[in-house]
Amino acid sequence: AQTVTQSQPEMSVQEAETVTLSCTYDTSESDYYLFWYKQPPSRQMILVIRQEAYKQQNATENRFSVNFQKAAKSFSLKISDSQLGDAAMYFCAYLPQGGSEKLVFGKGTKLTVNP
Amino acid sequence: EADIYQTPRYLVIGTGKKITLECSQTMGHDKMYWYQQDPGMELHLIHYSYGVNSTEKGDLSSESTVSRIRTEHFPLTLESARPSHTSQYLCASSEYSWTGRGGYTFGSGTRLTVV
Repeated sequence: AQTVTQSQPEMSVQEAETVTLSCTYDTSESDYYLFWYKQPPSRQMILVIRQEAYKQQNATENRFSVNFQKAAKSFSLKISDSQLGDAAMYFCAYLPQGGSEKLVFGKGTKLTVNP
Repeated sequence: EADIYQTPRYLVIGTGKKITLECSQTMGHDKMYWYQQDPGMELHLIHYSYGVNSTEKGDLSSESTVSRIRTEHFPLTLESARPSHTSQYLCASSEYSWTGRGGYTFGSGTRLTVV
């Protein structure tokens, strides 16, 4: 069974600084999707960034970028120029292409942004 | 604007009461999901549906039941609420991954407290 591991239960960063959240996953599949979701306190979970496994180029969305290492099964999220609004729970997730179509989530990393 | 809606946002109810948590989406997604989020913020899949009249139990055993009579509507029912059911419940929907997008859209959640 596929698993997703987020080894950092909590992280903190100073406003305007850069922080990297770690995620590793285990799968025998070659085609799949990886996601980072953000859940602010008492607010809706939203998609931050998406990566298709067949793409070698790392996905980027404004201040958010990923370091996707397929061979190492690693998918870290880098947040540049951190803002107070980035404070949230961040979940890494894996989705097999076809098959069960069920997202497998990590346990989350709580990010605190200090002013 | 296409979205997914959950009601109520907060619910406090007495033990033994029957409750239904509502979830509706306007995106025409075939797949819908219910997650229970524990106090540590970990997400547990409790029910999912791949279309009308299709429902399956998720990875975490739950005393709740679901129905999918219309594509847009996926309500969750507890016949007799207990304090152990106190939790945050998140509803989500998605397209199939072969559409090239994958990923889930989440509702705002229902925070249920059973006293």
